Amino acid sequence: EVQLVQSGAEVKKPGESLKISCQGSGYSFTDYWIGWVRQMPGKGLEWVGIIHPDDSKTRYSPSLQGQVTISVDKSISTAYLQWSSLKASDTAMYYCASRGMGGSYLDWGQGTLVTVSS
Amino acid sequence: DIQMTQSPSSLSASVGDRVIITCRASQGLSNSLAWYQQKSGKAPKLLLYGAVSLESGVPSRFSGSGSGTDYTLTISSLRPEDFATYYCQQYYITPYTFGQGTKLEIK
Repeated sequence: EVQLVQSGAEVKKPGESLKISCQGSGYSFTDYWIGWVRQMPGKGLEWVGIIHPDDSKTRYSPSLQGQVTISVDKSISTAYLQWSSLKASDTAMYYCASRGMGGSYLDWGQGTLVTVSS
Repeated sequence: DIQMTQSPSSLSASVGDRVIITCRASQGLSNSLAWYQQKSGKAPKLLLYGAVSLESGVPSRFSGSGSGTDYTLTISSLRPEDFATYYCQQYYITPYTFGQGTKLEIK
């Protein structure tokens, strides 16, 4: 069974750092790009960026480039999304996704809720 | 960036109705378009990719059409479990972008 399992919910203060994870199993992890998608409270889906686990090549949304970093450790089939200095506006559900045709997303993680509040 | 404009943003319909949701891109996508269904509190679910290809296990009442910049998702006969929010996504070129969503509600 293909699974993407994300790390648990986080509550942080503005200015703190954070790294959330997404571990894939049940498929060849290095064969497919992994994407991150943001959903702010009550809002739609927003594409954050992607990484290829084999060579760590990344692409970012221009609106988020420099605000987040996507990385991967292929030895443990895990992708990461990290922030060096969180803002209240980073409060959202973050999903990882992979394995669709082209750049579509067939498999999704369960989501990681990030809450940033003083 | 390619802008994706979905319409309508919300829609009230009854069980058994035929529903059409439209997605317009700011440039041609060569059919690199996917449709997703999202229910409250859940991750999105892929319905169609390549504009017209039904993902395995998705009921045949869902269909997609279109080309160039204009695409549609059609639900031929609504069932109670279809009431959800629907999103289009272009994956023609990065940054991949989503439409703003269409909330389908029970009339």
